[in-house]
Order: sequence, then C-alpha cells, then structure tokens
Amino acid sequence: AQSVTQLGSHVSVSEGALVLLRCNYSSSVPPYLFWYVQYPNQGLQLLLKYTSAATLVKGINGFEAEFKKSETSFHLTKPSAHMSDAAEYFCAVSATPTGTASKLTFGTGTRLQVTL
Amino acid sequence: NAGVMQNPRHLVRRRGQEARLRCSPMKGHSHVYWYRQLPEEGLKFMVYLQKENIIDESGMPKERFSAEFPKEGPSILRIQQVVRGDSAAYFCASSTRTSGRDTQYFGPGTRLTVL
Repeated sequence: AQSVTQLGSHVSVSEGALVLLRCNYSSSVPPYLFWYVQYPNQGLQLLLKYTSAATLVKGINGFEAEFKKSETSFHLTKPSAHMSDAAEYFCAVSATPTGTASKLTFGTGTRLQVTL
Repeated sequence: NAGVMQNPRHLVRRRGQEARLRCSPMKGHSHVYWYRQLPEEGLKFMVYLQKENIIDESGMPKERFSAEFPKEGPSILRIQQVVRGDSAAYFCASSTRTSGRDTQYFGPGTRLTVL
C-alpha cells in the first residue's frame, strides 16, 4: 500500500519569498513521485517527477524537489515566489512493480497563496 | 498535439438521472485513468483502462458506476441513478505505457453537479 501526506493545507508567502511545500510518502516498494499544480477550474499540470535517477529534480516554472529516502520526503521548493504561483499543489506517488498498473495516490493538496 | 479532452466540462443532473462523461486521450496514448475529486479533497483513483479492457477498477464504487474504453472512440465513465454525493470533479488522465514512472497527462475535468 502507498500513501502521501501533505503537511499544511494552506501556505501563504510573500512575493519574492521562499516557497516550501511538504510531502511525505509511504511505500513498500521504491516509489516514483510527482508534483502537480492545479489552477482554479482546471486540470492538473505536471511540475516535476522523481523516477529513481537524480535525487534533486528540477521542474517547470523554477520549482524543484529533493527525494530523501531516509526521511521519506519529497518537498517542493522555489527560491522566489511569484503571484502567478498561487494555486493548489498535489504530491502523488506511484509505487507499483514495473509492468503493473500505475495508478497515482494523491495527497490532499496544499493551497499556496502569494501576497504582495 | 491536442491534450487530453473531456466533455462536457460541466454537467448538471437531477437525482436519479444518468451521467455520461467522455474522455479522449492524447494522441498515441492507449492507457486511460479516471480520478474523482470531491470538494476540498485530493484526487482519488477510480479505474484504469486500456483499449477494450478494464485493468484495475479497485477504486470504483461497486454499484451505479461503470467505465469503458472501446476500440474506437472515447473512454466513457457512466454513473447511473446519480445521488447528491456523486457531485464532484471527474478527471481523466492518459499515458503511453503502464510503467509507474510514466507521466499521466490530465484533462480539464468534468464538474458534475447533482441537484
């Protein structure tokens, strides 16, 4: 079984400040991890993913995340927040053996607010 | 290259009616997933299909819900005799293969409201 915990359902930062969104996972097999962003009334857009290569993963829009096996974490960061980053962010895990169904298990999401 | 398409974007039904949600995967993708997002919650997996086959329906409610992905045409998620608790956003995603590392690309969703 696999699960994802996102600490903090709402995060507020000032424009230009560091963004840190937390994600911890649980998996019985080596996981693949994803961060998606959802803007109001839209679908999910992939920000970045970890697939067992480099532990520091760079994504779109200046976001990056670091896979830490010892901490079972995959936190999302961005050095400087922009107003356009305001959205809901979802961490997801796919943890199935190769060749089997790869359904995603999502966290409950973190709503990021960016203030002036 | 068009992305994942879903229609309708918004659907209103009265209790007891049927809802039919359609999903056209990205070109070249033969794997389709359906997820449901209840208000203020994350997405929950419902079903995974390949052409003409249901691979994993472990997230589907046992009654009233069904899904198909025919050889030709879009994938359909069908909800019979809708109830107010079915009100949610339903998202379809598609991918090229079945490996866990493959990206699932999401459509814009269908927002179902049951009156």
